[in-house]
Amino acid sequence: DAGVIQSPRHEVTEMGQEVTLRCKPISGHDYLFWYRQTMMRGLELLIYFNNNVPIDDSGMPEDRFSAKMPNASFSTLKIQPSEPRDSAVYFCASSADRGTDTQYFGPGTRLTVL
Amino acid sequence: ELKVEQNPLFLSMQEGKNYTIYCNYSTTSDRLYWYRQDPGKSLESLFVLLSNGAVKQEGRLMASLDTKARLSTLHITAAVHDLSATYFCAVVLASNYQLIWGAGTKLIIKP
Repeated sequence: DAGVIQSPRHEVTEMGQEVTLRCKPISGHDYLFWYRQTMMRGLELLIYFNNNVPIDDSGMPEDRFSAKMPNASFSTLKIQPSEPRDSAVYFCASSADRGTDTQYFGPGTRLTVL
Repeated sequence: ELKVEQNPLFLSMQEGKNYTIYCNYSTTSDRLYWYRQDPGKSLESLFVLLSNGAVKQEGRLMASLDTKARLSTLHITAAVHDLSATYFCAVVLASNYQLIWGAGTKLIIKP
């Protein structure tokens, strides 16, 4: 298996622009997680899905952030409008079972908002 | 609220030495993960510890879990430069199975 795939790997944009991050989970995994990692705040869970349904989005920082999972093999995280404080590495992870299985992480998207 | 504390947060050591990283957590959990992250890279799963007294070993790394003390340790034996990385522990929150992450321990092993 190719593992979790994320695109783009790097994104540089200007404040106010819309940013869309993409993720393809490992085939057969029912859970998908979006994380954000910064030096100041460490690794934060933003939202997770089970069978394409959002279960917990309490980590989404504000209404500028939205996430969708239209099918089992694709998810997006959108920031609109983007702000410099959104600069971070965004990871997508998937697991076969939330409670008992390991989460496998994608390579991440490094976002820089100027 | 479940809190996960790692110490030390930074460790610089010489090759060939032994050392231990500690992961304490504040409420009941019987499942703990250790991950490794190389600079600029993703997180890679190392160990999952599922019960009290669990011990897992891979090469020079050995992880253990004491659920009564709410403590996990990651022991490094005869460190080599290739083990330089940031190591995270993550604990499963029993109420909703969410992973709560430690801040990470940045390990630098000098040749």
